[in-house]
Amino acid sequence: QKEVEQNSGPLSVPEGAIASLNCTYSDRGSQSFFWYRQYSGKSPELIMSIYSNGDKEDGRFTAQLNKASQYVSLLIRDSQPSDSATYLCAVNRGSGGGADGLTFGKGTHLIIQP
Amino acid sequence: DTGVSQDPRHKITKRGQNVTFRCDPISEHNRLYWYRQTLGQGPEFLTYFQNEAQLEKSRLLSDRFSAERPKGSFSTLEIQRTEQGDSAMYLCASSHRTGVTEAFFGQGTRLTVV
Repeated sequence: QKEVEQNSGPLSVPEGAIASLNCTYSDRGSQSFFWYRQYSGKSPELIMSIYSNGDKEDGRFTAQLNKASQYVSLLIRDSQPSDSATYLCAVNRGSGGGADGLTFGKGTHLIIQP
Repeated sequence: DTGVSQDPRHKITKRGQNVTFRCDPISEHNRLYWYRQTLGQGPEFLTYFQNEAQLEKSRLLSDRFSAERPKGSFSTLEIQRTEQGDSAMYLCASSHRTGVTEAFFGQGTRLTVV
């Protein structure tokens, strides 16, 4: 059973600063990695996907993957109060790259302080 | 392009009753997933379909749970003889079979068993 570990937080970051969210995973063979944002009482919303080592940028968001260290992170630049949410890290469950579903961490609760 | 739609959004039921939830995936997506999420936890995989075929069901899933996707379009999740421990958010997601495996979630159905 794959495991995904995240610090549950809360992680408090001043508005305008960089928020750094981290995730480790147990299965070295994992291929696909995803970050979801979840507001309280709402469903998860896909923010980023990353499949190769290195960085992937999309607007204010950057996902970083280091397969050797089994580590994936999400950076949020110029943090806004609207970024306050729980961020879920997910990896592919089986060998299908994510097509057979995802294993999620418990999420990190991020608070952006105005 | 409509997103994943779930119905109902909320359901309160008495212990021992049966409940059924519906999910309509994004129209061109042939993979459909059901997850369950409780407070403070990430979504937990329940089962998934490719078209009308149910390809996998979580070993942790009680026999009281059953899911169908009869024509490869919408899906239903039924819980028989509900228990208080079934109270959770039930999430449906869909994705393409090949290529991009990013999964998109519906709004969820929040079940409360009293």
